[in-house]
Amino acid sequence: SQKIEQNSEALNIQEGKTATLTCNYTNYSPAYLQWYRQDPGRGPVFLLLIRENEKEKRKERLKVTFDTTLKQSLFHITASQPADSATYLCAMDSSYKLIFGSGTRLLVRP
Amino acid sequence: DAEITQSPRHKITETGRQVTLACHQTWNHNNMFWYRQDLGHGLRLIHYSYGVHDTNKGEVSDGYSVSRSNTEDLPLTLESAASSQTSVYFCASSEMLAGVDEQYFGPGTRLTVT
Repeated sequence: SQKIEQNSEALNIQEGKTATLTCNYTNYSPAYLQWYRQDPGRGPVFLLLIRENEKEKRKERLKVTFDTTLKQSLFHITASQPADSATYLCAMDSSYKLIFGSGTRLLVRP
Repeated sequence: DAEITQSPRHKITETGRQVTLACHQTWNHNNMFWYRQDLGHGLRLIHYSYGVHDTNKGEVSDGYSVSRSNTEDLPLTLESAASSQTSVYFCASSEMLAGVDEQYFGPGTRLTVT
């Protein structure tokens, strides 16, 4: 069955460094991947989308890559700030629905 | 501003009771979704709807039902609540544009079944 996986361990980094989060998928070839941010006690908020024919997408300090050979997407936050601390979810399209990963928690230390 | 709201935000109920969680969106989106979120499982799709009078089962639909009588609302009903249904429930809506489905989420309902 289609599966999307994220590292369940929290990522703990120093302010100013680049955070890199990984999303891997199996048994499917999604037309696009999405990344969401979720703060405690709140619903996810859409951040970025990347299509299968795009290698890289940027939005301010955020960068997403999509490697269809490795079946992987990387999500980067450059010059990270404590306010970037949150859980980040990736999602892939599947027959007009989204399948979500379980998320990776990012902690940015001041 | 358009928004998506859920009520109640917190609910405690007893095993066997029928419970309905409300979801209301003012985006005028055709698509609406219900997810549950549990530790270690991420967001799992319960039911979804692509328009009025359309409903579909998701990955974890057993014990849940929905109905769509208008564009704005998709209530989720737990027919006979079980402890395994203790979870945080999120409603989302979207409008498929150019084959892309960016979803807008509500704030969630924390349900505890005792």
